[in-house]
Amino acid sequence: DGGITQSPKYLFRKEGQNVTLSCEQNLNHDAMYWYRQDPGQGLRLIYYSQIVNDFQKGDIAEGYSVSREKKESFPLTVTSAQKNPTAFYLCASSTEQDPWYEQYFGPGTRLTVT
Amino acid sequence: KQEVTQIPAALSVPEGENLVLNCSFTDSAIYNLQWFRQDPGKGLTSLLLIQSSQREQTSGRLNASLDKSSGRSTLYIAASQPGDSATYLCAVTADSWGKLQFGAGTQVVVTP
Repeated sequence: DGGITQSPKYLFRKEGQNVTLSCEQNLNHDAMYWYRQDPGQGLRLIYYSQIVNDFQKGDIAEGYSVSREKKESFPLTVTSAQKNPTAFYLCASSTEQDPWYEQYFGPGTRLTVT
Repeated sequence: KQEVTQIPAALSVPEGENLVLNCSFTDSAIYNLQWFRQDPGKGLTSLLLIQSSQREQTSGRLNASLDKSSGRSTLYIAASQPGDSATYLCAVTADSWGKLQFGAGTQVVVTP
């Protein structure tokens, strides 16, 4: 089955610790994205990547870092510099093929920092 | 900067009634518009994608229209069922990188 997997589903961390969220896709998509969702709000873009070894900051990149060493993987690190890290994190991927840039989402990781 | 608005924020209807969800965006220069469904604590499921050159898309009981010039899209769900209860999000792709700009969503409850 093709799709996007995110792990873990729930993550708990203490303040001051870095944490890495996993995102893997087997859809052969070139583009991958990380979004953050807070209660009652829409999704906001953190980082995105169009090709391997290249990525761009989104609207709320401060306190986050990413890497794109393989086409199928796009891990997100939430650093201790992120002021309000508790949120629901969603990974997505898309292709330039028709239908152009339709995005597919993973199941999400809920991060709680105390 | 592109802004996407969804009104109302919440909606409750009796089973069998048709649902009408609204989405507006400030910049008409979009590549496409997607409607998503999100169940509590879950990821997003893509419902319909409308390319900028299209006026509407249909899938089963769902129909979405797009009026780029007025910056509006409407999602119609016919003969609603309790299983349609979820949050519905619209998002526009406004640049060639494929980045989505989301609305805050409409939370729908269909009562039996």
